Amino acid sequence: QQQVKQSPQSLIVQKGGISIINCAYENTAFDYFPWYQQFPGKGPALLIAIRPDVSEKKEGRFTISFNKSAKQFSLHIMDSQPGDSATYFCAASIGAGYKLSFGAGTTVTVRA
Amino acid sequence: NAGVTQTPKFQVLKTGQSMTLQCAQDMNHEYMSWYRQDPGMGLRLIHYSVGAGITDQGEVPNGYNVSRSTTEDFPLRLLSAAPSQTSVYFCASSYSIPGLGETQYFGPGTRLLVL
Repeated sequence: QQQVKQSPQSLIVQKGGISIINCAYENTAFDYFPWYQQFPGKGPALLIAIRPDVSEKKEGRFTISFNKSAKQFSLHIMDSQPGDSATYFCAASIGAGYKLSFGAGTTVTVRA
Repeated sequence: NAGVTQTPKFQVLKTGQSMTLQCAQDMNHEYMSWYRQDPGMGLRLIHYSVGAGITDQGEVPNGYNVSRSTTEDFPLRLLSAAPSQTSVYFCASSYSIPGLGETQYFGPGTRLLVL
């Protein structure tokens, strides 16, 4: 049983639009929530991460929103570009991130 | 730095055969992990190591063995391959230093097909 549930499975967005991916978790001991980006044939790469002491973190066009009471967190990709087309995974862990529990992934396609 | 390297890139096995997936990193990372990636299931942790000589089981350890004799290498062994082990395998490593240990560096993956 997956400890982190991710939705949607896939999404298509027009260039310049906003992509939103949602994740939910049950284990309240989780205290580290990263997002990974994966291109076909490559390994995942850390995109952005957040800890529960903040409700939002922004890096460039990527923003994580975190709702501790609802046990949910989301990734917003602003001004989506064709180069953002990839699979995105949310994850969670307790303490350091070497024991990650991943969501199932969301394939994002940005149409030019 | 080469980062995290994995060999082979692709392997076909017959049921019952054994093999070792190699993983090496040149970043002096203490933490290393193995994940498998299957469609619709994300990545699942198989085994991990917090340092040379120390390993532990992850979420899906059955059918896999690991050892960590050096900081650099973390091989994954399939003793008797089964079709259910058809997957893409990723090795990852990270620092043990708080504040830096959160970033997992993933290798390029090994695609395994078991017939």
